[in-house]
Amino acid sequence: KNEVEQSPQNLTAQEGEFITINCSYSVGISALHWLQQHPGGGIVSLFMLSSGKKKHGRLIATINIQEKHSSLHITASHPRDSAVYICAVEPYNTDKLIFGTGTRLQVFP
Amino acid sequence: NAGVTQTPKFRVLKTGQSMTLLCAQDMNHEYMYWYRQDPGMGLRLIHYSVGEGTTAKGEVPDGYNVSRLKKQNFLLGLESAAPSQTSVYFCASSYSQDGDYGYTFGSGTRLTVV
Repeated sequence: KNEVEQSPQNLTAQEGEFITINCSYSVGISALHWLQQHPGGGIVSLFMLSSGKKKHGRLIATINIQEKHSSLHITASHPRDSAVYICAVEPYNTDKLIFGTGTRLQVFP
Repeated sequence: NAGVTQTPKFRVLKTGQSMTLLCAQDMNHEYMYWYRQDPGMGLRLIHYSVGEGTTAKGEVPDGYNVSRLKKQNFLLGLESAAPSQTSVYFCASSYSQDGDYGYTFGSGTRLTVV
């Protein structure tokens, strides 16, 4: 079993829909990261969370440390949101990240 | 523009050839990392460095070597390329300041070994 599991693996949506991507992990962590990767492109850091909730524009990330679960929400989705969204966790006392396999999101006009 | 720059962006190698991938960052970050990304798998750590002159093995270090002679540069070497090293390679750097920290990734190097 992977230490970081994302669901769904693939997601399609119509423009304007509310999107939720989930991440569950099995290790104790000091932080969780959400990353975005456009097709053929580099990786961009969206959020770093250690507790609670963060918001940036139409993106909202939440984390529940007790349940070892995080969600990434996109409100009013747009075709330019089409990308792979990657969850990564930073276990306690390490300088390293453990990555999920990503959720591929496609938003159609 | 500030960030992490990887060169080259694409490369095709023949089995047994050698090459070096360069990662440069201008943000004065202490930590630097090399990852590989393969279909259906999360990014896996090859080697990392916690400061100039230091390197350490990650999850999949075999077949690779690294050097961090200058703080801003982190080099990844393949001494004798194998088809199993066909992958997309990402470099990243990270900072830690006043309890906050984050990662910056390069745009990737797509390597094919034939």
